[in-house]
Amino acid sequence: AQKITQTQPGMFVQEKEAVTLDCTYDTSDQSYGLFWYKQPSSGEMIFLIYQGSYDEQNATEGRYSLNFQKARKSANLVISASQLGDSAMYFCAMREGAGAGSYQLTFGKGTKLSVIP
Amino acid sequence: EPEVTQTPSHQVTQMGQEVILRCVPISNHLYFYWYRQILGQKVEFLVSFYNNEISEKSEIFDDQFSVERPDGSNFTLKIRSTKLEDSAMYFCASSPQSAQETQYFGPGTRLLVL
Repeated sequence: AQKITQTQPGMFVQEKEAVTLDCTYDTSDQSYGLFWYKQPSSGEMIFLIYQGSYDEQNATEGRYSLNFQKARKSANLVISASQLGDSAMYFCAMREGAGAGSYQLTFGKGTKLSVIP
Repeated sequence: EPEVTQTPSHQVTQMGQEVILRCVPISNHLYFYWYRQILGQKVEFLVSFYNNEISEKSEIFDDQFSVERPDGSNFTLKIRSTKLEDSAMYFCASSPQSAQETQYFGPGTRLLVL
């Protein structure tokens, strides 16, 4: 089974509108972290936002917010007031595990967001 | 703002040749990672490194791969004998004092094996 599922290969949004990118995850760990990264066409991976499994409140970073629904195992990214520069691939990722050691990230297949002027 | 840097940005090599990809993690970070992304596919974990040794590796990271931290700043990935299927974008990442913290990625090295 996929650990991270992003069901939207591509999305379009009108400039200045809000958009939600879906992400569901699968883990049996109690402690885990969820991340969103943006990958523009230039290729770099830009960290956007993080949500810990024990965080009571949804994470927010500027125009980005994470709609965390633990019971549904979903961690959707909401981008408000879309800008042309938001056009990119967006990846949801999960870090599992608690305790000492390394914590690899497992990524979803990504959603390509296109912002229309 | 401190950032992870990677060199070269692009590398073209012949099949069977050795390549070394270089990374300079953020200076006070303790955990280091390599990931790869084959064109059009998702990002895949290769290896993590902490306290001068490999702490975790994926099944992709076979004997032709190795990592090293030769000095206090550089972190390298060596592919001993490249194959066509090694063509990918390779990302280095680092995280601060705890592996539970955010991993910050470098800009990547695009490797093309001919």
